[in-house]
Amino acid sequence: GQSLEQPSEVTAVEGAIVQINCTYQTSGFYGLSWYQQHDGGAPTFLSYNALDGLEETGRFSSFLSRSDSYGYLLLQELQMKDSASYFCAVGTGGFKTIFGAGTRLFVKA
Amino acid sequence: DAGVTQSPTHLIKTRGQQVTLRCSPKSGHDTVSWYQQALGQGPQFIFQYYEEEERQRGNFPDRFSGHQFPNYSSELNVNALLLGDSALYLCASSLREGASAFYGYTFGSGTRLTVV
Repeated sequence: GQSLEQPSEVTAVEGAIVQINCTYQTSGFYGLSWYQQHDGGAPTFLSYNALDGLEETGRFSSFLSRSDSYGYLLLQELQMKDSASYFCAVGTGGFKTIFGAGTRLFVKA
Repeated sequence: DAGVTQSPTHLIKTRGQQVTLRCSPKSGHDTVSWYQQALGQGPQFIFQYYEEEERQRGNFPDRFSGHQFPNYSSELNVNALLLGDSALYLCASSLREGASAFYGYTFGSGTRLTVV
């Protein structure tokens, strides 16, 4: 079967750095992406990695290691508004993108 | 530039009934994917439509069906509703060409379906 594993919850302090890990097992791999979803809102796209290495977009960075079937999202200079759920997602064969169960991030003052 | 529009936002149905949910994709997008999101869970892939055909399907029964129209808008139909069908139904649009087929989905705010 296909699966994406990520921690269910992470708590961090405002201004800190937090890393959310994602391991995947899928049939076909066409990149790892990350989405943010606030309560009651729509998931919004954050970043995408098709190749190994680090991609940086402002305070957010995402990393991929295809040989380890592993990636992570790094959030720096945490702000209260970063409290949300974060989903990793993998593009699989046949133009299908599947999502992990999500990591709920709590940012404390 | 309008994003993805879904209607209705909320819906309450009785077990056994049928429901139709609607989605208008982001301007310029040609592919629509439907996801079911239970409370506290990640979106589960239902199916994807491109060029008015179902291209991929997730692990959902035939009670779930869909349609895509020439203007790229889409409908999700669910027959014989079960209590377990209660969830947030998300529509995501994308552009089929190239790698963007796998990322950068634009999601609508969803339809909250409650089956009683």
